Amino acid sequence: GENVEQHPSTLSVQEGDSAVIKCTYSDSASNYFPWYKQELGKRPQLIIDIRSNVGEKKDQRIAVTLNKTAKHFSLHITETQPEDSAVYFCAAILTGTASKLTFGTGTRLQVTL
Amino acid sequence: NAGVTQTPKFQVLKTGQSMTLQCAQDMNHNSMYWYRQDPGMGLRLIYYSASEGTTDKGEVPNGYNVSRLNKREFSLRLESAAPSQTSVYFCASSAGAGVGELFFGEGSRLTVL
Repeated sequence: GENVEQHPSTLSVQEGDSAVIKCTYSDSASNYFPWYKQELGKRPQLIIDIRSNVGEKKDQRIAVTLNKTAKHFSLHITETQPEDSAVYFCAAILTGTASKLTFGTGTRLQVTL
Repeated sequence: NAGVTQTPKFQVLKTGQSMTLQCAQDMNHNSMYWYRQDPGMGLRLIYYSASEGTTDKGEVPNGYNVSRLNKREFSLRLESAAPSQTSVYFCASSAGAGVGELFFGEGSRLTVL
C-alpha cells in the first residue's frame, strides 16, 4: 500500500516569512495529492490539491509543487499570517480505485508575531 | 446543509464497555470513512465504505466494527473498549472512493479508562 512521509513535524516561522512542508510517497501509481489544514480543535479541511498531470498549482498565498520522478510534493505558504497556524496534512491516492487516501503524520505550523 | 454530523462529541468509557459512534452525511456521497487521530500519528483509516452495502478494513481495524446502514449513515462500534482506543475519531465522506475532497465531521473525543 501507499506510504506517505511528511517533514518537518513542527515548523515555526515569523509572520510574513514563507513556510515549506515536504512529503514523499511510495506508490508511483498515485495520482492525486491533497493538502488538509486542521486548526486547533477543528476538523481537517481541504486547502489545495494537485493531480499528477500538473507540476504546480497556486491559490493566492498557497502553492503546491509535484515532482513525480522523485515522488515528492510540497506545500508552500507565502507571506504567512497568524491564521495560518494549524496542523497541515499531506495525502496521496490512486483515484478511480477503491483504494484509500493515505495521510502523512502532519506538520504543526506556528506563525509568530 | 449540515454536511457530516457525528455523535457523540465526547465520551468516557471504562475498559470493556461498548459503544457506537454515529455518522450521517447529507451530501448524497457514495463513500464514507472512519479515521482515528492520535498525536504524532496523523489520520489513520479504521474502516471505509466505498458505496452503500460495502465495507472494507483500513489500516487499523482491530477492535472495531462498522455498519453502513444506508447511503447516509455509517456507524463505528467498539465492542469491548480498551485504553489503546482512546483517541479522536473522525467520520468523513466523499463523492466516490478515492475521488475528490474528503468532508470531515467535527470529531468525537473518546477516552477509555
